Amino acid sequence: DTEVTQTPKHLVMGMTNKKSLKCEQHMGHRAMYWYKQKAKKPPELMFVYSYEKLSINESVPSRFSPECPNSSLLNLHLHALQPEDSALYLCASRKIFLQEDTEAFFGQGTRLTVV
Amino acid sequence: KNEVEQSPQNLTAQEGEFITINCSYSVGISALHWLQQHPGGGIVSLFMLSSGKKKHGRLIATINIQEKHSSLHITASHPRDSAVYICAVKDRGPGTYKYIFGTGTRLKVLA
Repeated sequence: DTEVTQTPKHLVMGMTNKKSLKCEQHMGHRAMYWYKQKAKKPPELMFVYSYEKLSINESVPSRFSPECPNSSLLNLHLHALQPEDSALYLCASRKIFLQEDTEAFFGQGTRLTVV
Repeated sequence: KNEVEQSPQNLTAQEGEFITINCSYSVGISALHWLQQHPGGGIVSLFMLSSGKKKHGRLIATINIQEKHSSLHITASHPRDSAVYICAVKDRGPGTYKYIFGTGTRLKVLA
């Protein structure tokens, strides 16, 4: 199984809503990533978890709250988002954080629209 | 100037054509990745290279470390190859963790 599964595929939420994005992998990878991608732009790193601990936060606003409850699962909790947060949110995993020359596996993404 | 430059930005080809996408980078790297992103959004990792050449089916990727250049070739292109192809590198250096992404090459293969 070399899949990274993201749910939901599409999400529309209001600015006052609270929602969560979910990412799951069963490859035994211990590094998991959240990226944000705007249209026709490359992905931008948001967070990195290594061994279920938050290792990197790329100065992401607190309305985005990541969580890694176990080694297979990564969540992104959303609250009080703005329309400019509408984007494709991608999850990725790698065997080990900071290990050279290991491949990254990406999910299909969640397309988020904030209205 | 971006640290990772791709060319061309857009490419339209007829089915069956041989396609080349180029990636040049300005940093010392530990590995270079070629990624494919379909319109739906999901990203598939095609190759990870640190030297030489790799082949998978109709796809061939090469890298020249001295020239800081990589190419992705698609032989006998097919409409299902239509996607955005992204080159990504990881800076060589202790504790570096970020991939630097190119802006992508948008490929359309016409039947």
